[in-house]
Amino acid sequence: EIVLTQSPGTLSLSPGERATLSCRASQSVSSSYLAWYQQKPGQAPRLLIYGASSRATGIPDRFSGSGSGTDFTLTISRLEPEDFAVYYCQQYGSSFFTFGQGTRLEIK
Amino acid sequence: QVQLQESGPGLVKPSQTLSLTCTVSGGSISSGSYYWSWIRQPAGKGLEWIGRIYTSGSTNYNPSLKSRVTISVDTSKNQFSLKLSSVTAADTAVYYCARTRPIFVDNAFDIWGQGTMVTVSS
Repeated sequence: EIVLTQSPGTLSLSPGERATLSCRASQSVSSSYLAWYQQKPGQAPRLLIYGASSRATGIPDRFSGSGSGTDFTLTISRLEPEDFAVYYCQQYGSSFFTFGQGTRLEIK
Repeated sequence: QVQLQESGPGLVKPSQTLSLTCTVSGGSISSGSYYWSWIRQPAGKGLEWIGRIYTSGSTNYNPSLKSRVTISVDTSKNQFSLKLSSVTAADTAVYYCARTRPIFVDNAFDIWGQGTMVTVSS
């Protein structure tokens, strides 16, 4: 089983700042199968990034993804008030999906 | 556009079987090469993939739950279902159904239901 470890657990930033979220895998992950999701309280997760770096439909260009192998990053260039939420990375391998434990992005 | 809606009992007794259904609207469950997944989330915790099904009936399950999980599909009703047997309090969670993009694309969960809370308690 591939374990995804996200850091930091909580990130406190102000609107307008840049956010950098990390997702590290216990073994190499196919970039094609690395995704990021945003979840707000009481809502289902929403797909942000797929294939490690492609934005999903309707996702603003301030969201970007990068990385390969075991290290992946989600960057939000300039935080908007609606971006404060929990973010999860997710991978697929060996007919099995796993999620990271999440990073909570909170307003400073 | 395609929407998913979970339904089923909100309360299940310990040792019994949890049964949920996901109804797909706005499109056919058989169109495209999508898989259809179940994912759960205990209160205040992260996401756990339970399993998925293709409209042919082919399934994949989370190894940690495999012995207790059955996912089935009814294309005539545009629905797929989850059964989780021998439940305990640890199975208390919000259960989501989600559309899973084809493996030859990116396997991402692109459309989610709103989720349904299931509590295991006597």
